[in-house]
Amino acid sequence: GNSVTQMEGPVTLSEEAFLTINCTYTATGYPSLFWYVQYPGEGLQLLLKATKADDKGSNKGFEATYRKETTSFHLEKGSVQVSDSAVYFCALSDDSNSGYALNFGKGTSLLVTP
Amino acid sequence: NAGVTQTPKFQVLKTGQSMTLQCAQDMNHEYMSWYRQDPGMGLRLIHYSVGAGITDQGEVPNGYNVSRSTTEDFPLRLLSAAPSQTSVYFCASRRRAEQFFGPGTRLTVL
Repeated sequence: GNSVTQMEGPVTLSEEAFLTINCTYTATGYPSLFWYVQYPGEGLQLLLKATKADDKGSNKGFEATYRKETTSFHLEKGSVQVSDSAVYFCALSDDSNSGYALNFGKGTSLLVTP
Repeated sequence: NAGVTQTPKFQVLKTGQSMTLQCAQDMNHEYMSWYRQDPGMGLRLIHYSVGAGITDQGEVPNGYNVSRSTTEDFPLRLLSAAPSQTSVYFCASRRRAEQFFGPGTRLTVL
C-alpha cells in the first residue's frame, strides 16, 4: 500500500536559516504529492503540490520537487521566518487510494526563533 | 464562500455517549471525507463519500457512522463514544487533486 515517511521533528531554526524537511514515499500507482501546513489551532492548508515526476511545486518561498527516481518530495525554503513556525505534513494521493484520499506522513514541527 | 465548516469546535463526552460532528461545504464538491489526527500519527482517513448517497470506509472506520443525503453536508456519528476516540477530527472536500480542510473539532472522551 501507499505510505509517506517524513523526518521527525521538532526542527528548531533561527530566522533566515535554510530549511529542508525530508519526505519519501511508497506508492503503487502514479501519485500526486503535497505539502500541507498546520498553524497552531488551525486546520490544514495546502502549501504546494506536484502531480507528476520532475514537477516543482512552489508557494510563499517554499519549494519541493517530485523526484520519481528517489521517490522523494523534500520541502525547502531558503530563508525561514518566525511566521513559518507550524507543523508540516507531506502527503500523497493516487487512484489506488479510497476515492483519492490522502496518505499523510506523521508531520514535522518547525519552530523558528528570532 | 465559507469553504468547509465544522461544528462544534470543542466537545467533551463521557464514555458511552453519542454525538454527531457536523461538516458542511459550499463549494459543490462531490468528494468529502473525515480524518482524525492523533499525536505522532499524522491524519488517518475514517470515512469518505464520492457523492450524495454514496459512502465508504477508510483506514479507521470502527466506531463511526456517516451518511450523505446532500452534496453540502457530511456528518460523522459516534454511536457510543470511547476514550480511544479522543482526537482532533477534520472534515475535507476535494476538487481535482486539492483537498480543502475544515478547522477541526477537538473531541475528548472521558
